Amino acid sequence: KAGVTQTPRYLIKTRGQQVTLSCSPISGHRSVSWYQQTPGQGLQFLFEYFSETQRNKGNFPGRFSGRQFSNSRSEMNVSTLELGDSALYLCASSLTGAVGPYEQYFGPGTRLTVT
Amino acid sequence: AQSVAQPEDQVNVAEGNPLTVKCTYSVSGNPYLFWYVQYPNRGLQFLLKYITGDNLVKGSYGFEAEFNKSQTSFHLKKPSALVSDSALYFCAVRDGGATNKLIFGTGTLLAVQP
Repeated sequence: KAGVTQTPRYLIKTRGQQVTLSCSPISGHRSVSWYQQTPGQGLQFLFEYFSETQRNKGNFPGRFSGRQFSNSRSEMNVSTLELGDSALYLCASSLTGAVGPYEQYFGPGTRLTVT
Repeated sequence: AQSVAQPEDQVNVAEGNPLTVKCTYSVSGNPYLFWYVQYPNRGLQFLLKYITGDNLVKGSYGFEAEFNKSQTSFHLKKPSALVSDSALYFCAVRDGGATNKLIFGTGTLLAVQP
């Protein structure tokens, strides 16, 4: 079974621009979560989607948004980029159901650099 | 609120020796605890989880973790360390409610010397 894939792997953007990151979950996984990893703040939860609905949201400004499609693929968007948005963005997918909790499986991440 | 703490930024161990990476937790309700490993420029790999049952949980690559309710700890262990175990290790707890959201510790860098 293929793992979680994220595209692109690396991205360089300029302050003020916007960016869209993509995530394809493991087949059969309907829950997709996004995390931001930085040396200073560590791993921080951005949001979780399940069946095309945002189920949970972290403490990030409204410039960070996401969505999930009917095939469970997910995208996250960051508008008006700031230098502090430079980070590794990780996507994770998981099974859901009454017998849980289930572990999350992570993709390799997208390394975003804002200049 | 759920939280985990990893008190050691770095753990050094010689190859062949046993290793322990420490984690303590604070939760309201049942603790659902996880260990992940991250190699350079890679995503996180799942090692093991504790939901309920036996306090000793066995996971991937020879790792195991000991759940201790009275000490609110969930330490990661391995009987014999390998140089290839050198990586960043994260303890995590699942947040409360109907969610898969994980709250991570700050990470512990494990360095195994040959």
